[in-house]
Amino acid sequence: RKEVEQDPGPFNVPEGATVAFNCTYSNSASQSFFWYRQDCRKEPKLLMSVYSSGNEDGRFTAQLNRASQYISLLIRDSKLSDSATYLCVVNIRSGGSNYKLTFGKGTLLTVNP
Amino acid sequence: DGGITQSPKYLFRKEGQNVTLSCEQNLNHDAMYWYRQDPGQGLRLIYYSQIVNDFQKGDIAEGYSVSREKKESFPLTVTSAQKNPTAFYLCASTQRGAPEKIQYNEQFFGPGTRLTVL
Repeated sequence: RKEVEQDPGPFNVPEGATVAFNCTYSNSASQSFFWYRQDCRKEPKLLMSVYSSGNEDGRFTAQLNRASQYISLLIRDSKLSDSATYLCVVNIRSGGSNYKLTFGKGTLLTVNP
Repeated sequence: DGGITQSPKYLFRKEGQNVTLSCEQNLNHDAMYWYRQDPGQGLRLIYYSQIVNDFQKGDIAEGYSVSREKKESFPLTVTSAQKNPTAFYLCASTQRGAPEKIQYNEQFFGPGTRLTVL
């Protein structure tokens, strides 16, 4: 099983649609979880951290299920500007106080007018 | 403005040549990282450094070397031993901060260097 596995996509949705991304991780010792956004040919940027109780930031909602080792990202009322690749990222302790981020391959979202 | 700079943005080299990619940050971050991204793939960790004069191998360190002589600089050398060096290389940094919060610290990325070996 891959360390971090995401929906392969791509997703093509109309403006205003709700879209959900799913991600599973294999290491039960994973400490923290994030969603990053990467625009075409650009660097990744943090979209939001994922907290155990779930968290919301405007149109974006992240959920974590530690028992199932599953993370999700929901985007409501999608905008053209949401078009990007969404990366699921898991932080794992690699020894002592060192942590290592493991990235999923990403899911490409295209929002169409 | 604080941030991470990588240079050059595009780099072309002949097969068999070593090449060094620059990464500089003025965020006063302790930890720095090098990743490689191939088309349709996630980022893979090459090397990382938690503190000056110390660094550790990541998942795909073979064919690469790094140094961390200054806090703000973490150059990556792609050697001729790297079998498939053509890729998008991303440098990142993070502030370690309080131990109990380390795992939540955001990684900031530089704009990347696209290396093509001909």
